Amino acid sequence: GENVEQHPSTLSVQEGDSAVIKCTYSDSASNYFPWYKQELGKRPQLIIDIRSNVGEKKDQRIAVTLNKTAKHFSLHITETQPEDSAVYFCAASIGGSTLGRLYFGRGTQLTVWP
Amino acid sequence: DAGVIQSPRHEVTEMGQEVTLRCKPISGHNSLFWYRQTMMRGLELLIYFNNNVPIDDSGMPEDRFSAKMPNASFSTLKIQPSEPRDSAVYFCASSSHQPQHFGDGTRLSIL
Repeated sequence: GENVEQHPSTLSVQEGDSAVIKCTYSDSASNYFPWYKQELGKRPQLIIDIRSNVGEKKDQRIAVTLNKTAKHFSLHITETQPEDSAVYFCAASIGGSTLGRLYFGRGTQLTVWP
Repeated sequence: DAGVIQSPRHEVTEMGQEVTLRCKPISGHNSLFWYRQTMMRGLELLIYFNNNVPIDDSGMPEDRFSAKMPNASFSTLKIQPSEPRDSAVYFCASSSHQPQHFGDGTRLSIL
């Protein structure tokens, strides 16, 4: 099956700086890549996603890039704010017969210092 | 839309007891996923259903764990007998293709 690796496991930045989280996947058939944000004690919530026919997607301060050749995708957060502090998970989906199953990375604990 | 609804939100019980976690997916979603989250193992997929049929239960840790989906609007995850190492947050998620939407989870503590 698919294997998703995520780095770094922890990331600390100063407020206003940018943060980048990187993920790699193993199955070239993966075609959907969501990112989830999980605040302490809360549920994972989708913040942005990208499909394999697109190389980059932006939504205000967050963006995701996808390199299908290298099989990696990244989350970029600009102008970070303390409320961005959370655990971020990347995931990949092969689609088709797997019926929407997501393969998750181990998560990145992002801390934004004021 | 009420989102994915899980109950109970918290459960504390003694080892050996039966535990039943419940999930109501978002109306119209045809896939349902049960996850377990711990610090040590992260977010693990236990089992998932499509159109009420179990598709892959390879993540279910032991025979003590079982899951059912009797209809499109309800699923249960049962642990019998429970053990302290089952303590975790259990999430249910549902989707119609993508993306998956998570419930608020059940925080389970086995004493």
